[in-house]
Amino acid sequence: TQLLEQSPQFLSIQEGENLTVYCNSSSVFSSLQWYRQEPGEGPVLLVTVVTGGEVKKLKRLTFQFGDARKDSSLHITAAQPGDTGLYLCAGDSGGSNYKLTFGKGTLLTVNP
Amino acid sequence: NAGVTQTPKFQVLKTGQSMTLQCAQDMNHEYMSWYRQDPGMGLRLIHYSVGAGITDQGEVPNGYNVSRSTTEDFPLRLLSAAPSQTSVYFCASRGIYEQYFGPGTRLTVT
Repeated sequence: TQLLEQSPQFLSIQEGENLTVYCNSSSVFSSLQWYRQEPGEGPVLLVTVVTGGEVKKLKRLTFQFGDARKDSSLHITAAQPGDTGLYLCAGDSGGSNYKLTFGKGTLLTVNP
Repeated sequence: NAGVTQTPKFQVLKTGQSMTLQCAQDMNHEYMSWYRQDPGMGLRLIHYSVGAGITDQGEVPNGYNVSRSTTEDFPLRLLSAAPSQTSVYFCASRGIYEQYFGPGTRLTVT
């Protein structure tokens, strides 16, 4: 059974601070996705990383896929209250069944 | 382009009642899935489908049935609702590198 461990589970910071969220596994994934979920809504895809060592930037968010494709990180620069939400990572082990393995998420609160 | 739609948004059932959660997508994706999300448990896969006529069980399939008669629709049936099925249910539709979720159905079983 593949597992994705996310840390920290909870994070409360002040507006303007930087933060990093981690997603770790002992398994290799062909790709990894990051989602943000706001209360009462479904998860929304932020980015997919595919290549080991890949770095993708989405405005103030920087996503990195580990060289061995077993881990990933999400770094937010100068966090804003609008960044508040549950951040989920999901790994794709490849193959024809298309199943994703989800982490349990990091609940981020950015206080004004 | 509506993406993934789910109905109803909210539902209250009594123990033993049955119901169907509807899900539809307009992206022509072959792969669709159902998850439930509970506090502290994360998203857990209930059933999935890799195309019309093909379904398979996920991590927590007991008490749920699915069918896939068309590419667009993937309904989830609760056969005899139990309080343990109180949860938020999400339908998802997947392309090669991206998965899209519906807005969810919040189900309470009393």
